[in-house]
Amino acid sequence: AQSVTQPDIHITVSEGASLELRCNYSYGATPYLFWYVQSPGQGLQLLLKYFSGDTLVQGIKGFEAEFKRSQSSFNLRKPSVHWSDAAEYFCAVGAKSGGSNYKLTFGKGTLLTVNP
Amino acid sequence: DSGVTQTPKHLITATGQRVTLRCSPRSGDLSVYWYQQSLDQGLQFLIQYYNGEERAKGNILERFSAQQFPDLHSELNLSSLELGDSALYFCASSSGGWNTEAFFGQGTRLTVV
Repeated sequence: AQSVTQPDIHITVSEGASLELRCNYSYGATPYLFWYVQSPGQGLQLLLKYFSGDTLVQGIKGFEAEFKRSQSSFNLRKPSVHWSDAAEYFCAVGAKSGGSNYKLTFGKGTLLTVNP
Repeated sequence: DSGVTQTPKHLITATGQRVTLRCSPRSGDLSVYWYQQSLDQGLQFLIQYYNGEERAKGNILERFSAQQFPDLHSELNLSSLELGDSALYFCASSSGGWNTEAFFGQGTRLTVV
């Protein structure tokens, strides 16, 4: 069964600093990979997704992520963090779950705090 | 605004009771997913419906059930509620399977007392 690990429960960065959130997945084949962001009291919003092709994926709000098959990783990056980026970030893997069905599995999330 | 509407936003009920959570997907989306988010378990996939039929099942308890109606709205029924069922329940919708983007509603916060 597939699984997702986000090793960092909480990360604090200063505004303007670069950011990297780690995500490792476990799945036998090529997965579909996603990053979602959840602001307080809000639902989840998709930042970016990887299905195939170029391993460096660009998303909304200036985020990007790189798929590294050899490391089973899909880390999220942003060169310069803004205070409005403070939120919880979830990595997810979508993988086949019998027939044509897919199952989306989320990591536990990384809470990002941005200091002024 | 994701276009996915969940009602009610908040729900407080007693143990042993039954509640129904409602979700209206984005216009044109055929797939509806239900998730449970709690502090200890994180975000757990419960169940998916596609055009009225159950498509995938996750960590859904037998006390929970769901359905998707012909107009594509969905309901999640939670019965014999326990304190541990207190959580944020999200609905998401997409046009198709997992490889299509899922749009999330703002959730229903259920508190069981």
